[in-house]
Amino acid sequence: NAGVTQTPKFQVLKTGQSMTLQCAQDMNHNSMYWYRQDPGMGLRLIYYSASEGTTDKGEVPNGYNVSRLNKREFSLRLESAAPSQTSVYFCASSEIGRTAYNSPLHFGNGTRLTVT
Amino acid sequence: EDKVVQSPLSLVVHEGDTVTLNCSYEVTNFRSLLWYKQEKKAPTFLFMLTSSGIEKKSGRLSSILDKKELSSILNITATQTGDSAIYLCAVENSGGGADGLTFGKGTHLIIQP
Repeated sequence: NAGVTQTPKFQVLKTGQSMTLQCAQDMNHNSMYWYRQDPGMGLRLIYYSASEGTTDKGEVPNGYNVSRLNKREFSLRLESAAPSQTSVYFCASSEIGRTAYNSPLHFGNGTRLTVT
Repeated sequence: EDKVVQSPLSLVVHEGDTVTLNCSYEVTNFRSLLWYKQEKKAPTFLFMLTSSGIEKKSGRLSSILDKKELSSILNITATQTGDSAIYLCAVENSGGGADGLTFGKGTHLIIQP
C-alpha cells in the first residue's frame, strides 16, 4: 500500500531553472496539498486542491503553480527557481477537506530541493 | 489569523524518562487538534482531539485537550530511542475551507540511550 508517493526525493537546481514535483496518492482521497517545511518555520501550505478540478492558494503560493491532473495526481511547478525556495516539500492527501475526523492528512516522504 | 505555539522547541532526555510536550493555540471556531510524529521523512498521524474526544491514548503515548486553556499536551512515558523525532501539533478551524489547518513549528525530541 504505497499511500502518497512523491518524486523526486532530491533535486538541485540553479537559480532560474524550472522543475515539476510530482505527487500521486492511491487512497482515493479527494483533497491534496503541497506544503513546504523550513527550519524554525513549521509546515506552511503552498497550494491545495479540495477536489478534482479545483485548486486554491495557501499561505505561501508565490513562485509556484499547481495542476490537479486527475483524482490521484497533484503536481507542483517552480517556473523560475530562487534560493528562497530551497526547502523540503511535502505532498499530502485527505479524504474530505483537511480532516474528516477519521481522515487526517497523509503525507508523502518529501522532496529535498536546493536552489543555488 | 490562527496561531499554534509549541514548547519546548527542543528537548533532550534519557531513555526511560517521561516527557510532556505542549501545544497552545488561538483559532477561530476550533474544530480539532492533531498531533503528528515526524522522523526522517513524512509526518505520521498520532492523535486527533475534538470537543467530543478530549483524551486519547495509544501505548506509551497519550494526549489531552484543554479547551478552556486552549492547549494540549502530549505525554510519552518510558521513552525509547525510537521516540526521537519532531512532534508537530496542528489545529483546524471549522471555517469549511481546506486551508483551515495551522501547524506549529514542532518540538524536536531527542532520547539519549
